[in-house]
Amino acid sequence: GENVEQHPSTLSVQEGDSAVIKCTYSDSASNYFPWYKQELGKGPQLIIDIRSNVGEKKDQRIAVTLNKTAKHFSLHITETQPEDSAVYFCAAPWGRRALTFGSGTRLQVQP
Amino acid sequence: GAVVSQHPSRVICKSGTSVKIECRSLDFQATTMFWYRQFPKKSLMLMATSNEGSKATYEQGVEKDKFLINHASLTLSTLTVTSAHPEDSSFYICSARDLQVGTVYNEQFFGPGTRLTVL
Repeated sequence: GENVEQHPSTLSVQEGDSAVIKCTYSDSASNYFPWYKQELGKGPQLIIDIRSNVGEKKDQRIAVTLNKTAKHFSLHITETQPEDSAVYFCAAPWGRRALTFGSGTRLQVQP
Repeated sequence: GAVVSQHPSRVICKSGTSVKIECRSLDFQATTMFWYRQFPKKSLMLMATSNEGSKATYEQGVEKDKFLINHASLTLSTLTVTSAHPEDSSFYICSARDLQVGTVYNEQFFGPGTRLTVL
């Protein structure tokens, strides 16, 4: 099955700095890579995703990059704000089955 | 668009009782819904895959008689935790795959989760 590894497990940045979270996957056939933000007591919220036919996607302060050759993808958050503090999960599909999630990154933005 | 709801959001029950959790796709049709379980400070673990009109597929280690799944329509799947015990206490989250989009890229949308506490 798909194996997704995520780093770092915790990340603390100062408000206004950038944050980068990285994930690797094992299934070369995977074609869709979403990122989710989960706040305490809530379900995961899709914040950005990328399909395998592009290398980068950006949405305001959030961007995702994909390197299919190396089988890794990264989440980039610029100009971080305290409300960005949450747990972030990457995921990758295993064939047509459910998504396999990374272990999560707890991001803390210090005001 | 792509909204998934879950009900109830929180439930507390006594040991030995059964609890039903509903997952609905509000503005799209979902042939497939997934049920996840999440322990505190842990990632989401897939429990089962629910396909409309057919039996659910359970992941290894998940008791199908303990966690009954029914996917009666393209917008509703239910998870029933039977004879609940304290170790079943967890955060249960469903997701749904858009029939139109998800069949190619497996995009899924998640519900807000249900916090189950078994006393």
